Amino acid sequence: DAGVIQSPRHEVTEMGQEVTLRCKPISGHNSLFWYRQTMMRGLELLIYFNNNVPIDDSGMPEDRFSAKMPNASFSTLKIQPSEPRDSAVYFCASSLNSGIGEETQYFGPGTRLLVL
Amino acid sequence: KQEVTQIPAALSVPEGENLVLNCSFTDSAIYNLQWFRQDPGKGLTSLLLIQSSQREQTSGRLNASLDKSSGRSTLYIAASQPGDSATYLCAVTLYNFNKFYFGSGTKLNVKP
Repeated sequence: DAGVIQSPRHEVTEMGQEVTLRCKPISGHNSLFWYRQTMMRGLELLIYFNNNVPIDDSGMPEDRFSAKMPNASFSTLKIQPSEPRDSAVYFCASSLNSGIGEETQYFGPGTRLLVL
Repeated sequence: KQEVTQIPAALSVPEGENLVLNCSFTDSAIYNLQWFRQDPGKGLTSLLLIQSSQREQTSGRLNASLDKSSGRSTLYIAASQPGDSATYLCAVTLYNFNKFYFGSGTKLNVKP
C-alpha cells in the first residue's frame, strides 16, 4: 500500500490567497484526521471524519478553515483567506476504526505551508 | 479536557545507554495510549499501542508501560543507537473515541 498521500508537499503563498491541501487515505480506512503542527503549539487535531462524516471539528481554528471528505478516498482542507499565522506543517492521517481499541493512525508526510 | 505532558523535552545520551521517556495525562479514562516516532521533516510512525486494559507492550528494544490510575506511561529504549535519534510523542484517546491528544514530544539525540 502507498500509505497516506498528501499534496502538495510544500506550499508558499501570499497572505489573502486561498490554500487547498489534499489527502488520500489508505484504502479501506474509515477514519481520517487533519492535524496542524507548529513549534509553539505542537500537534493539534483540527478535524476528523468517520465514514466521510465530520465527527469533531472543534479544533478548527476559525471560519477561514474548512474541510471536506466527498468520498472515502479523498479529503481537502481549505484555508481562505490565508494568514501568516497559518504557516505550519499540516498532516493527514487515517485509521481503521473497528471499535475494539486496536486502532493506530497512519500519518502522511505532511504539507509544509508558508504564508508570506 | 485531556492534557498530555512529556518530560524531558529533550534528551542527549551516548550510544548504548538505556533510557526512559515519560508521558503523563490528566484524564485516566483513556481508551488507549500510543507512542509515535517523528523523524525531522517526516510524518509520525506508530511504535507501540497499549490498550487501556493492558499494562505494557514490547517491540524489539522498545517497551512501553501504562499505569492508568496514576496517569503515566513510560517508553523504555534499551541499548540506544544513533538511529533512534528522533522526536518521540505519546498520544491518548478517550474512551470510545478515536480522537488523539498528543504530548509535545521528547527530542532524543543518541551520540555515536
